[in-house]
Amino acid sequence: EAQVTQNPRYLITVTGKKLTVTCSQNMNHEYMSWYRQDPGLGLRQIYYSMNVEVTDKGDVPEGYKVSRKEKRNFPLILESPSPNQTSLYFCASSKRTARVVDTQYFGPGTRLTVL
Amino acid sequence: GENVEQHPSTLSVQEGDSAVIKCTYSDSASNYFPWYKQELGKRPQLIIDIRSNVGEKKDQRIAVTLNKTAKHFSLHITETQPEDSAVYFCAASNDYKLSFGAGTTVTVRA
Repeated sequence: EAQVTQNPRYLITVTGKKLTVTCSQNMNHEYMSWYRQDPGLGLRQIYYSMNVEVTDKGDVPEGYKVSRKEKRNFPLILESPSPNQTSLYFCASSKRTARVVDTQYFGPGTRLTVL
Repeated sequence: GENVEQHPSTLSVQEGDSAVIKCTYSDSASNYFPWYKQELGKRPQLIIDIRSNVGEKKDQRIAVTLNKTAKHFSLHITETQPEDSAVYFCAASNDYKLSFGAGTTVTVRA
């Protein structure tokens, strides 16, 4: 079954404790991206990757890191989480077409609470 | 960067009526405009998209129009049904960045 998976699905942590949210896709997609969803703000892109070892900032990259060492995985790293990073996080993947983002397939989401 | 504004933020319609959601974007280089539907507690899913070389696209009860000159695009849902109740997001893409609107909560009244 074609899918995007994220782990963990729920996480409660404390300020400053490093954490990683994993994302994996089995569709051989070149493009992967992370979004955060907050009430009244919609979805905001954090980072995206067009292929292995190629990443770039989205609209809200501050406080986040990513890496793309393998095509299927795109982890999101919060080195020193703060309460304003409490949010619902979605990973997504898609094929990469010429200069256009294709249909995004979203993971199930990770609900993060930073105390 | 790209700025996408979406209106209205909430929309209540009688079952069988039409629903229209409008979005504007700021970057004239944006060339891809998808619409996503998110049901309560679920992940967003693409319902329709349009590219900048097309003015209108239709898929059964859903249609999207694009006015590049005015930099706005709209989603039209006809003959609304209870299962159309959800949050709808418009988005605009330039190269590989994707910027979303704030969302419209659509409620279809029986």
